[in-house]
Amino acid sequence: EVHLLESGGGLEQPGGSLRLSCAASGFTFSSFPMTWVRQAPGKGLEWVSAISGSDGRTFYADSVKGRFTISRDNSKNTLYLQMNSLRAEDTAVYYCAKELFAGSGLALDYWGQGTLVTVSS
Amino acid sequence: QSVLTQPPSVSGAPGQRVTISCTGSSSNIGAGYDVHWYQQFPGTAPKLLIYGDSNRPSGVPDRFSGSKSGTSASLAITGLQAEDEADYYCQSHDNRLIAWVFGGGTKLTVL
Repeated sequence: EVHLLESGGGLEQPGGSLRLSCAASGFTFSSFPMTWVRQAPGKGLEWVSAISGSDGRTFYADSVKGRFTISRDNSKNTLYLQMNSLRAEDTAVYYCAKELFAGSGLALDYWGQGTLVTVSS
Repeated sequence: QSVLTQPPSVSGAPGQRVTISCTGSSSNIGAGYDVHWYQQFPGTAPKLLIYGDSNRPSGVPDRFSGSKSGTSASLAITGLQAEDEADYYCQSHDNRLIAWVFGGGTKLTVL
């Protein structure tokens, strides 16, 4: 059974940093692109970043480009999101999600339960 | 302002058919990129309902269907049930933004 478990969220001051992790199990992690999607309180879904399975190509939304870094450790079946220069507008629940299959156009078939990031002084 | 435009809300009575539209442009849906649909209940993670415009993942009832034409896509739900009351989101890729984008979401109310 596929399982994704995010961790690392919490309260951080503006300008600070946080590192989110997503532990994956139940599938061949290295074979699938992975994504971070966030949802601000009471708002809709926002794609944040994606990383390919094996060659590590990365993609970012303009809103986080230059501040966030996505990475993965295929030996540990873990996805990461390093978030620097945090802003109040980064406050959201952050979900990691698995792509249905490489080349599916980022159809996300499994999601974690989410981890809340709050940026406030 | 979302790149993909959805109605904020739709409603229908049990047993009825409802559709949710997702309007894009020539840089996303109109460019031929796949459209996916998600269902989300309050406080829970989204669930993939439709991928590749019109395909249902295993376990999704055939009451849910997707279609695409031009710069728009639609999600149709037939035989509406109380348990379908949720938020629905469309998603696609945009080659001008070089990013994946979600619609703003539609709240479905079952009357």
